[in-house]
Amino acid sequence: DTAVSQTPKYLVTQMGNDKSIKCEQNLGHDTMYWYKQDSKKFLKIMFSYNNKELIINETVPNRFSPKSPDKAHLNLHINSLELGDSAVYFCASSHRGSYNEQFFGPGTRLTVL
Amino acid sequence: AQKITQTQPGMFVQEKEAVTLDCTYDTSDPSYGLFWYKQPSSGEMIFLIYQGSYDQQNATEGRYSLNFQKARKSANLVISASQLGDSAMYFCAMREIGGGADGLTFGKGTHLIIQP
Repeated sequence: DTAVSQTPKYLVTQMGNDKSIKCEQNLGHDTMYWYKQDSKKFLKIMFSYNNKELIINETVPNRFSPKSPDKAHLNLHINSLELGDSAVYFCASSHRGSYNEQFFGPGTRLTVL
Repeated sequence: AQKITQTQPGMFVQEKEAVTLDCTYDTSDPSYGLFWYKQPSSGEMIFLIYQGSYDQQNATEGRYSLNFQKARKSANLVISASQLGDSAMYFCAMREIGGGADGLTFGKGTHLIIQP
């Protein structure tokens, strides 16, 4: 059973388009996250979200928005894609406020042309 | 200022030797967790080991151990008897239970290559 899954694995699109990446976890965790890994492999938190609270990293443009239909899903919607958005996006989940590890999805490689 | 510093961008090690990957951190939060993740060339993020700020003993998981020196704010990963399959990027990360996005803050990573 896949613990954290993401679709699609690869996403190639034109500048200016709007796209979404889906994430699902079957671990019963209450908190989900989105991370961005740039071309230099640097990973940075974008959002954390549970059913009560969305916490946004202040450096994330408002073109990025997380959408959660239920506790097991956290989708990432990106408006007006830019070249600099090209990266690998990882979804992760864990229990909020605990020391437990975060489980990561396989990542989505986004390429903006 | 960087919260997680990994000073070794790349390392070459002979198979079967022990490896130490350096990590120093900076936080004023008394409660925090330190993590190591492995990212092979296939891209997935694999959790290796965790150390809590209040843990008295160094964490161990199979061939992985974490050399936690709280006063020095260091959390080095030690891999014993390295194997070819250990070749990967290794990331040190910290979770501060108390603020921000409640996510992990990552270092820039160390690219480890195990040579036969």
